[in-house]
This record gives sequence, structure tokens and C-alpha cells, in this order.
Amino acid sequence: DAGITQSPRYKITETGRQVTLMCHQTWSHSYMFWYRQDLGHGLRLIYYSAAADITDKGEVPDGYVVSRSKTENFPLTLESATRSQTSVYFCASSEPGQGNQPQHFGDGTRLSIL
Amino acid sequence: KQEVTQIPAALSVPEGENLVLNCSFTDSAIYNLQWFRQDPGKGLTSLLLIQSSQREQTSGRLNASLDKSSGRSTLYIAASQPGDSATYLCAVRAGSSNTGKLIFGQGTTLQVKP
Repeated sequence: DAGITQSPRYKITETGRQVTLMCHQTWSHSYMFWYRQDLGHGLRLIYYSAAADITDKGEVPDGYVVSRSKTENFPLTLESATRSQTSVYFCASSEPGQGNQPQHFGDGTRLSIL
Repeated sequence: KQEVTQIPAALSVPEGENLVLNCSFTDSAIYNLQWFRQDPGKGLTSLLLIQSSQREQTSGRLNASLDKSSGRSTLYIAASQPGDSATYLCAVRAGSSNTGKLIFGQGTTLQVKP
């Protein structure tokens, strides 16, 4: 089915471990985004990508790495997980358009770091 | 720095009531404003998108308005139903850049009682 798929849906890991969250979209949208959602902070942008091989930092990029070798995939890696990175992570995509292109979100990955 | 505020944080109404959710933003130089719905444990679903040149958008029982000069948007829900219970988020796409980055409010959690 068309849409955005995030995997895994749930993940528990330990501090210091590396973990990668996957995001796959079937629309061939140019733009892809990673957000984290936390109580008291709402949704905050981590990284975004305008096209394959083009990525840029958002509001809270420290401790995260992204890549975009293919248009449809945008993985997010926590190189050495910390407890403060426990959160719900959302991937989104959109076409750039002229102000009339909505962002579409996946169902999220709930990440717990012990 | 653009900031987005949603008041109230939570709202409980009886079924059938018409209601208004509020969103305010500090910088009027926005590209567009988007309203989302989030159900518990789920991702965000786009409801309405208002371009900076528009004043309102309608979809079914939902009507969103935008007043850039005052930095305000409202989401009007007519004849509310228990199925409307969810968290509603507004987000602005800042400035004239075409990057698509969104800045979110913290949401209003709506409960519609049968």
C-alpha cells in the first residue's frame, strides 16, 4: 500500500548502543523529515532531506545521523543512545510545491533507552 | 524565532456542540499553516492546509481560518462527535523558504462525551 512505513514500531535498547530507525515512503516525495515527540516539547525537527544525498539539520540534531542514498528511504541512526533520546520518532514526507503540499506522517517508532 | 502556541491544552465538550480550537504564532511570515489530528499511539493525519494567501479552508464539518496579521488560526468543528476525540496540532511552515520545515504547537486534546 502507498504511504510511509516506519520500522520497528517499538524498540527497547541500552545506553551506548547504536540503533537505526527505518523510514520508507512509496510516493517518491522529494522531502523527508524526522521528528521526535516528547511531553512538554511537542514535535521537534531532527533532520530533513530535500532529495537523495541532500540532508540538513533541524532543531535538535545532536546525537543523530541520517542518510538518504535512495529517494524512498531515510534512516535515522542514534550512534550511541542516551536516556534523553527516549521518545516517539516520526518520519514524514512531502513534495515541495508552492505552499500547498501537506506533510504526511508515519505511525511512529516508540524508542525506550534503558 | 517562530513559536506556535495552542490554547487550551485540553477541552471536554458534550456531543453535538460546536467548538473552536485556537493556534497562535509569533512571526507572521509563514508559508502555510497545517492542522493535524493525532489519535493515541498513532501518527499525524493532515486535516487542512491553508496557504499564506488564503483566509480559510473547509473539509466536511471542519473549517480552518487564518489571520496572518494577528498571528492566529482557528479550527472550527461543527456538531462534534465522540469520534472527533483526539489531539489536534497546528503547525506553521515558516518564512518564504521552500524547505517544508514545520514548527508545531503542543496540541489541544479534545474529548467529546456521548
